[in-house]
Amino acid sequence: DTGVSQNPRHKITKRGQNVTFRCDPISEHNRLYWYRQTLGQGPEFLTYFQNEAQLEKSRLLSDRFSAERPKGSFSTLEIQRTEQGDSAMYLCASSVGTSGLHNEQFFGPGTRLTVL
Amino acid sequence: DAKTTQPPSMDCAEGRAANLPCNHSTISGNEYVYWYRQIHSQGPQYIIHGLKNNETNEMASLIITEDRKSSTLILPHATLRDTAVYYCIVRVGGTSYGKLTFGQGTILTVHP
Repeated sequence: DTGVSQNPRHKITKRGQNVTFRCDPISEHNRLYWYRQTLGQGPEFLTYFQNEAQLEKSRLLSDRFSAERPKGSFSTLEIQRTEQGDSAMYLCASSVGTSGLHNEQFFGPGTRLTVL
Repeated sequence: DAKTTQPPSMDCAEGRAANLPCNHSTISGNEYVYWYRQIHSQGPQYIIHGLKNNETNEMASLIITEDRKSSTLILPHATLRDTAVYYCIVRVGGTSYGKLTFGQGTILTVHP
């Protein structure tokens, strides 16, 4: 399977704990996106990477959240001191990085986080 | 990016055409209309996009009104596997890197 993969698929943690999610994009894609989706809502943009550079962060991404893409391949999203409001599906997407407008984003299956 | 308005839910009989409307009355001249869908427990999937001309691909057709203030996604022969949340997204072209702004979408239920 050469699609976007995310691990773990499910994570249950206690409030105050740190969690880290991993996203492996499609191999030739140099753009990588993180979104968050709560129940009944559409996904919300969190942050975006072009290769290893993090080029935009949403105001939704508080200082408890940090994302990295150290070698321009896989990415990690870490949430420190989790809160119950962080419970959501965290989606990763990737796309090619040409100058074209219509680079289709390919989404992974998501990591569902539950904070108790 | 312009805001979109979609009905919260729609039903369609299997084998019939599903017509999903989207209003984007504040769309700008350089904004494109995109459709994605999200099947339960999966990430969103790209369907189609257009600027002002009607578009068709193997999945669907996109009809954009002449004033570009609304559009309709057409699934010509809906199947049970088309049951999903459908998102209409309007996004600036040009040098945009492609951030997608999702609304709440339309829940399409295809029934036998």
